[in-house]
Amino acid sequence: EPEVTQTPSHQVTQMGQEVILRCVPISNHLYFYWYRQILGQKVEFLVSFYNNEISEKSEIFDDQFSVERPDGSNFTLKIRSTKLEDSAMYFCASSKNRDTSGANVLTFGAGSRLTVL
Amino acid sequence: GENVEQHPSTLSVQEGDSAVIKCTYSDSASNYFPWYKQELGKGPQLIIDIRSNVGEKKDQRIAVTLNKTAKHFSLHITETQPEDSAVYFCAASRNSGYALNFGKGTSLLVTP
Repeated sequence: EPEVTQTPSHQVTQMGQEVILRCVPISNHLYFYWYRQILGQKVEFLVSFYNNEISEKSEIFDDQFSVERPDGSNFTLKIRSTKLEDSAMYFCASSKNRDTSGANVLTFGAGSRLTVL
Repeated sequence: GENVEQHPSTLSVQEGDSAVIKCTYSDSASNYFPWYKQELGKGPQLIIDIRSNVGEKKDQRIAVTLNKTAKHFSLHITETQPEDSAVYFCAASRNSGYALNFGKGTSLLVTP
């Protein structure tokens, strides 16, 4: 079964450092997403990306965050200057297309755990 | 924005019993309601979903019901097995948007 793959599985960084989390979405999917989950809390939407541009973003996704699809397979999340509160599990997801009812059916990756010290 | 509430936060059942998890949502424009299962160290996995034009959907031991008037939807797992133990998340979204709004999750433990 096709998978969304994420690297690294765990990254430890110092506050103020830049971090790039990488994702390889399912190959025929068109919509790409980043979500995050702070330990013990709900999964929160960060950003969606379609046709090489951001289609929607949440309040969490401020100027410190950026996304990029540098080539035909990778989708990256960059955090410019990490803060302690950025420590979380970051999930990448992708979806093929909206179905006839307009729903986006997402497939999630296993996540990248970011620890900011 | 959309607010999804999920109850209970933890649920312990004996193998073979049924488990029910309930969610409410606030945005009447939401029309897609997936349920995800998250096992330790893994990402959320879609187990069943329902659209707003349907009141109930079943897939083997799993069923979901939706009451649009009351803005609530529920997950029912029958004949539970130890491998059903995981965290279950409900979510809601509208077809004009992209974001899934998740509930806080229910940690289900099925004891043999």
